[in-house]
Amino acid sequence: EVQVVDSGGGLVQPGGSLRLSCAASGFTFSDFWMSWVRQAPGKGPEWVANIKPDGSEKFYVDSVKGRFTISRDNAKNSLYLQMNSLRAEDTAVYYCVRGGMRFDPWGQGTLVIVSS
Amino acid sequence: EVEMTQSPAILSVSPGERATLSCRASQSVSSKLAWYQQKPGQSPRLLIYDASTRATYIPAKFSGSGAGTEFTLTISSLQSEDFAIYYCQQYNNWPRTFGQGTKVEVK
Repeated sequence: EVQVVDSGGGLVQPGGSLRLSCAASGFTFSDFWMSWVRQAPGKGPEWVANIKPDGSEKFYVDSVKGRFTISRDNAKNSLYLQMNSLRAEDTAVYYCVRGGMRFDPWGQGTLVIVSS
Repeated sequence: EVEMTQSPAILSVSPGERATLSCRASQSVSSKLAWYQQKPGQSPRLLIYDASTRATYIPAKFSGSGAGTEFTLTISSLQSEDFAIYYCQQYNNWPRTFGQGTKVEVK
């Protein structure tokens, strides 16, 4: 079964940092683009970042450029999102997703709350 | 950034009836459009990609059409499990962008 499982969310103060992780299984991880998509409460999804299969190219939505870093470890079938200088508007459920164009499947989501 | 606009925001449909959802892009996205279904408390699920191709295991009751800036998702004979929020998403341009969703509710 193709599956991605995300983790690492939590409550963090404004200006703080958090690292999200995603474990992939059921497919050849190193063949696929991978992405992070977030969804604020009551809102539609928002694409955040993605990374090429070999990790050589990365793309970000403007609102997170310079603060978030996407990375991957193909030997561990794992995807990461390092989030620094977090703001209240970063509060959302973050999903690990397979793909760089269409997204399938989605992880179960991990909740990030930025609040003092 | 390509803005995706979905209409209506809420669609009230009786079980057994057909639902037609619309998605408009602020500029052409060719056929690089996907549709997702999200049920309460669940992650989104890919239904349609490339505007009209059903994803794996998606039943034929779901169909997509359109190209350029105007797209439609049709759900035939709605059943209880189909009442959910549906999102469109373009992947022709960076950044990838989603619509705000259409909630399909029981009439």
